Amino acid sequence: EIVMTQSPATLSVSPGERATLSCRASQSVSSNLAWYQQKPGQAPRLLIYGASTRATGIPARFSGSGSGTEFTLTISSLQSEDFAVYYCQQYNNWPPTLTFGGGTKVEIK
Amino acid sequence: QVQLVQSGAEVKKPGASVKVSCKASGYTFTSYGISWVRQAPGQGLEWMGWISAYNGNTNYAQKLQGRVTMTTDTSTSTAYMELRSLRSDDTAVYYCARDPRDTAMVTDGYYYMDVWGKGTTVTVSS
Repeated sequence: EIVMTQSPATLSVSPGERATLSCRASQSVSSNLAWYQQKPGQAPRLLIYGASTRATGIPARFSGSGSGTEFTLTISSLQSEDFAVYYCQQYNNWPPTLTFGGGTKVEIK
Repeated sequence: QVQLVQSGAEVKKPGASVKVSCKASGYTFTSYGISWVRQAPGQGLEWMGWISAYNGNTNYAQKLQGRVTMTTDTSTSTAYMELRSLRSDDTAVYYCARDPRDTAMVTDGYYYMDVWGKGTTVTVSS
């Protein structure tokens, strides 16, 4: 099974600042990587797929990069509504599995 | 708009079964697959499996093989997830989510999910 490791577990950021979240895969997943945002009591929301393509309606301040085993989600200027937990998810089909990272909580500094 | 509406919360005893429904609207149900993902209290996300709404093909997470069954009813655009022999560690919020690929062209559920239901809380307690 491909293990996805996110860091840091918690990121404290002031509104307006830049946030950089990392996701590492235990083996290459090519660009088969998605990012989700989850707020308390809500379902996850798709932000990024294909490592760098924003989903419909996602603001341009969210960007994704990376390939292979190292990925980054960047929020260029944090807004109040961006404080949430972010999960990465790999969907490489070999080995056949789908796994999520453990999440990064972005909190107000 | 595209929507997935899930059934209400359930409380079950250990050893029982639960069946959660997920009614789709706003798109052609049989054109896409549905994945199921669960989240234990305070924990991360766990993929459970996938079903094609086109032909009913399924693939399940190895961990749940033998205990989970996913089905669809195309006449009502509804997907179902049944989990049997419930244990306390099955206590979680269960989400259905759409696989955005043309499901007639795919044979497995290893993909991202673009639309999610609001979740169904399943509590397993004696």
